[in-house]
Amino acid sequence: EAGVAQSPRYKIIEKRQSVAFWCNPISGHATLYWYQQILGQGPKLLIQFQNNGVVDDSQLPKDRFSAERLKGVDSTLKIQPAKLEDSAVYLCASSFIRFFAVGNYEQYFGPGTRLTVT
Amino acid sequence: KQEVTQIPAALSVPEGENLVLNCSFTDSAIYNLQWFRQDPGKGLTSLLLIQSSQREQTSGRLNASLDKSSGRSTLYIAASQPGDSATYLCAVSKGRSGGGADGLTFGKGTHLIIQP
Repeated sequence: EAGVAQSPRYKIIEKRQSVAFWCNPISGHATLYWYQQILGQGPKLLIQFQNNGVVDDSQLPKDRFSAERLKGVDSTLKIQPAKLEDSAVYLCASSFIRFFAVGNYEQYFGPGTRLTVT
Repeated sequence: KQEVTQIPAALSVPEGENLVLNCSFTDSAIYNLQWFRQDPGKGLTSLLLIQSSQREQTSGRLNASLDKSSGRSTLYIAASQPGDSATYLCAVSKGRSGGGADGLTFGKGTHLIIQP
């Protein structure tokens, strides 16, 4: 079974530029998450999708960050304009839903995109 | 607001020792708890998931326990090996009112070094 795919793996941009990250979840996983991991910290949830809909975006800085999940599969996360403090690893994760099943909502992570804003 | 704390922040032990990593969380109303491993420059690898109704899970040399009422979990690693060197992260999710689970709230991790 293929894992969660992300691209690009690395990106360097100047502040005030825009950037986009792509994620392809594990086939059949209805729930998709984007996390931001700053160096030395644990990941922080930015947004959670279930199929096409947003379940939780309470920690997404909506003045500069946006995300979409078309057709309930792939997702893109965009930052416009970028700030120095956006330098981090952006992780995508997915999980399946099988009610009353063991492993329900277990999250599987992709390799991440390391963003450096100069 | 859920907060997750992991102790110790760093740990260095000789190969072969058994060790325990600790995780505590402030809100006991969790849906599940996951332990992850993160190698430098890599993503997260899920090690164990414990549903809120369970007390423990085992996989190979790893055993994770959960005491939901006290807001604690431990990850026990038996007979440690140099290949176990990594950062170990604990994370919890909360159930949603409409069903399902929230995204994970993570601790800062324990950086583990196993000396050959």
